[in-house]
Amino acid sequence: GQNIDQPTEMTATEGAIVQINCTYQTSGFNGLFWYQQHAGEAPTFLSYNVLDGLEEKGRFSSFLSRSKGYSYLLLKELQMKDSASYLCAAMDSNYQLIWGAGTKLIIKP
Amino acid sequence: ETGVTQTPRHLVMGMTNKKSLKCEQHLGHNAMYWYKQSAKKPLELMFVYSLEERVENNSVPSRFSPECPNSSHLFLHLHTLQPEDSALYLCASSQAPGQASSPLHFGNGTRLTVT
Repeated sequence: GQNIDQPTEMTATEGAIVQINCTYQTSGFNGLFWYQQHAGEAPTFLSYNVLDGLEEKGRFSSFLSRSKGYSYLLLKELQMKDSASYLCAAMDSNYQLIWGAGTKLIIKP
Repeated sequence: ETGVTQTPRHLVMGMTNKKSLKCEQHLGHNAMYWYKQSAKKPLELMFVYSLEERVENNSVPSRFSPECPNSSHLFLHLHTLQPEDSALYLCASSQAPGQASSPLHFGNGTRLTVT
């Protein structure tokens, strides 16, 4: 079956760095998405990776290893506003999105 | 207005009621989606519309009935719901369904409580 695993909850300190991991098993692969969702708000698109490697976008970076079925989202210089849930989703060979249950990130001062 | 707008934000309904959720997108996208989000569970895709035609129905019970009158508007009609249908219902749009590089744009959702 198709599956996405990511930690349920993580805690980090303001100003620090945190890495949120995501492993996926899909029938075929057409890329991996990360979304951010603040409580009570819409998920918003953060990144899309389809090739191996690291893509940096300001304080946020996303990494993909297709051979390992693994991705991570790296958040640097954490700010209180980064407290949110982070959703990982892989696109399978039929271009269907397989979603993880999300990682709730708590930032402490 | 820009983006994807959903109304109402909150809805409480009894099991015998009939209500509708509304979604409007101002992004010029051709695909619209309904998702169900329950606590600590992955997003569940319910329906997909492309250019007003339904292209996917993921075995959703008939008590949920979608309607897409044009590419900017999407409705979800609800009737005789069950308490387990209580969840956040998210509408989303994209340039086209199934495009790998086309991210979804979500609305803020309708928090539905069935009593």
